[in-house]
Amino acid sequence: SQQGEEDPQALSIQEGENATMNCSYKTSINNLQWYRQNSGRGLVHLILIRSNEREKHSGRLRVTLDTSKKSSSLLITASRAADTASYFCATPRPGTGYSTLTFGKGTMLLVSP
Amino acid sequence: DAGVTQSPTHLIKTRGQHVTLRCSPISGHKSVSWYQQVLGQGPQFIFQYYEKEERGRGNFPDRFSARQFPNYSSELNVNALLLGDSALYLCASSLVGSGTEAFFGQGTRLTVV
Repeated sequence: SQQGEEDPQALSIQEGENATMNCSYKTSINNLQWYRQNSGRGLVHLILIRSNEREKHSGRLRVTLDTSKKSSSLLITASRAADTASYFCATPRPGTGYSTLTFGKGTMLLVSP
Repeated sequence: DAGVTQSPTHLIKTRGQHVTLRCSPISGHKSVSWYQQVLGQGPQFIFQYYEKEERGRGNFPDRFSARQFPNYSSELNVNALLLGDSALYLCASSLVGSGTEAFFGQGTRLTVV
């Protein structure tokens, strides 16, 4: 079963615009991760935010985490065509102490030149 | 530094056949996890191995099995292939413990005909 659910399912923007994707999850977590996937290839790790953090930045990426609402958001600023990809949030599988993850269905982002 | 490597990259098999997929983790990573990703969905957890022992198993039939070798590389085996096993199979390696990033290989695209 899916733990995280991304919203929207698809997003189409122009280069230079900002893209915001949201993720909701069901159980308590100690961290949440965001990944990018280009054209059905391997996942690339973008950022990990811990439950005691509210916001984290990495380059053009900004991630927020609201544990009270069980939600996270990923903001990509000044989008580029190369940002076109699917984006997934992932949370630790409940009841496990190891780094295994539950993924949502992803948000497909299309950035047009 | 070499990332997670998977082989083969693509594979076509016939229903009822058996398949073995291989994964080499990042040097120093002792945990290997396997995921199945069908088209349009997020990755689904299959197995995790750490120190050559199975540490977690997802909701997959017994036709799926895996093992980890002393050098921490891993194999995923699927017997009696079904058309529904067609998917991208992803391997991820990580350091032990929760709250650490998982690094993914490029995946093996399995097509069952």
